[in-house]
Amino acid sequence: EAGVVQSPRYKIIEKKQPVAFWCNPISGHNTLYWYRQNLGQGPELLIRYENEEAVDDSQLPKDRFSAERLKGVDSTLKIQPAELGDSAVYLCASSFRGNYNEQFFGPGTRLTVL
Amino acid sequence: SQKIEQNSEALNIQEGKTATLTCNYTNYSPAYLQWYRQDPGRGPVFLLLIRENEKEKRKERLKVTFDTTLKQSLFHITASQPADSATYLCALGGNAGNMLTFGGGTRLMVKP
Repeated sequence: EAGVVQSPRYKIIEKKQPVAFWCNPISGHNTLYWYRQNLGQGPELLIRYENEEAVDDSQLPKDRFSAERLKGVDSTLKIQPAELGDSAVYLCASSFRGNYNEQFFGPGTRLTVL
Repeated sequence: SQKIEQNSEALNIQEGKTATLTCNYTNYSPAYLQWYRQDPGRGPVFLLLIRENEKEKRKERLKVTFDTTLKQSLFHITASQPADSATYLCALGGNAGNMLTFGGGTRLMVKP
């Protein structure tokens, strides 16, 4: 069974440029998460989807970040415009709905903003 | 504010010994706690879950304890192997959906 797929794996952009990350979760998983992980730190939740509905986006910097999950499957996270401080690894994860379920993570996209 | 603390310094141990990693938290009443392993350049991988009403969980060479009075979880790897070298993350979950708050992780180095 395929795991969580993310692309691209690496992205280098100039500040003020836009960037987008794509995630395909494990088939059948209702819940999809986007995390940001800075070097030497744990993942921080940006947004959580239940099917196509964003149920928690309190940590998403809405002035520059946006996300969508069309048809409740694939998801895209966008940053426009990117800032130097956005350099990090962006992780996508998915799980079955409900408490206690383990989350399955993709390999992440390493973003470098110059 | 909620705070989850894991030892930010790397833990270096000899192969065959037991590794013990600590996760402390404040201003939080988690319903459960999960431990994940993360290798360089990869996403975290789930290892174990322990609920608030459980004191201890085991899986092969892994053991997790959960003390809600001390607000602490201990993660043990017995008979450690060089292949166990990785960063280990603890994550706390509540009752409002499957949302996790992660600690900063502890890097474990097992030397042959």
